[in-house]
Amino acid sequence: ETGVTQTPRHLVMGMTNKKSLKCEQHLGHNAMYWYKQSAKKPLELMFVYNFKEQTENNSVPSRFSPECPNSSHLFLHLHTLQPEDSALYLCASSQEWGDFDEQYFGPGTRLTVT
Amino acid sequence: RKEVEQDPGPFNVPEGATVAFNCTYSNSASQSFFWYRQDCRKEPKLLMSVYSSGNEDGRFTAQLNRASQYISLLIRDSKLSDSATYLCVVNRGSSNTGKLIFGQGTTLQVKP
Repeated sequence: ETGVTQTPRHLVMGMTNKKSLKCEQHLGHNAMYWYKQSAKKPLELMFVYNFKEQTENNSVPSRFSPECPNSSHLFLHLHTLQPEDSALYLCASSQEWGDFDEQYFGPGTRLTVT
Repeated sequence: RKEVEQDPGPFNVPEGATVAFNCTYSNSASQSFFWYRQDCRKEPKLLMSVYSSGNEDGRFTAQLNRASQYISLLIRDSKLSDSATYLCVVNRGSSNTGKLIFGQGTTLQVKP
């Protein structure tokens, strides 16, 4: 149903592991976003990409490294995470990079750091 | 003060009831406003954008009050399927950069 897909849907990793989250949008949008949703907290914007260029890094620790090879794909590379990084990581896309552009979300990756 | 504030609820209402949620925002320069719906352990889904003049989509009505900096969502004739968390979303300032701020959400539980 959704035009934004994310893999994997669930991920358990140790603090010394390296893993990557993948997002793909099939909507022809030009902007993509990573959000973090921790339990009982609002969604927090992490990164914004517009036409493959990063336009926002919302003070995210360097253990999270985004990559946007083209307008349809977005990755989040993870390394040496902490248990407090366990959360739902959501990818979103919008037609353009603007405040009035409605954002559409993927199903998320539920990450557990052990 | 939080940038976007919502009463977390839960709001427990019977089927057929009318229920209203309010949301306040702190940045008077905000220009765009949305309501999203999020089901348990699922992604947020856009419910409706909120326009200055107010707008309606079936049983859902959204209103914006810029002077008081609040947004409301009214749901008429509640259905069991309306049970979800409703997220108030506001853009951050007037820079038109796609940076949205999400409220914590208001939980609605519609009972038979």
